[in-house]
Amino acid sequence: DTEVTQTPKHLVMGMTNKKSLKCEQHMGHRAMYWYKQKAKKPPELMFVYSYEKLSINESVPSRFSPECPNSSLLNLHLHALQPEDSALYLCASSQEDGSIYGYTFGSGTRLTVV
Amino acid sequence: AQRVTQPEKLLSVFKGAPVELKCNYSYSGSPELFWYVQYSRQRLQLLLRHISRESIKGFTADLNKGETSFHLKKPFAQEEDSAMYYCALSGNNFNKFYFGSGTKLNVKP
Repeated sequence: DTEVTQTPKHLVMGMTNKKSLKCEQHMGHRAMYWYKQKAKKPPELMFVYSYEKLSINESVPSRFSPECPNSSLLNLHLHALQPEDSALYLCASSQEDGSIYGYTFGSGTRLTVV
Repeated sequence: AQRVTQPEKLLSVFKGAPVELKCNYSYSGSPELFWYVQYSRQRLQLLLRHISRESIKGFTADLNKGETSFHLKKPFAQEEDSAMYYCALSGNNFNKFYFGSGTKLNVKP
């Protein structure tokens, strides 16, 4: 298995809803990432987990809450989002030394906040 | 600070013509450079990494430390090369990856 799987593919949620995005990989990668990508823009780093511990939080608002239950799973819990949070949310993973091998990206969850 | 610059938002070429997508970077250490490609409605995919010195789908990229560039080249563009191309850099902090703003390549028949 050489893929990063994200669910759901599409999500529409209201500003008072609570939802979660899920990401799964079985490549034995020990680093996992959440990125946000607005239309026609490059991905922007949100969070990095290394060995299931949060290592980087790029000053993301607390309405986004990441969780790494085990080495294969990464969640992003969403609560009280704003319409401007609508975007494609990408999960990625890499071997420990991601700088050499690069990342493997999932196909993303397209989130619409209404 | 790390920074990746892709000066062209859009590059249009005819099928069979050579193509060069520019990427310049600024980094105070020894960076690792990558090219990623995103075809329409598909996931972001790793195309090339400079450390491998590989050629994928006819594309090559050479790291020029003197000019701090990592331009992506292909001698004969194909219609299926039409996509969004992102240059990316990671540095000493292995878990931080920085993307350029992207270049949309349009190969016309």
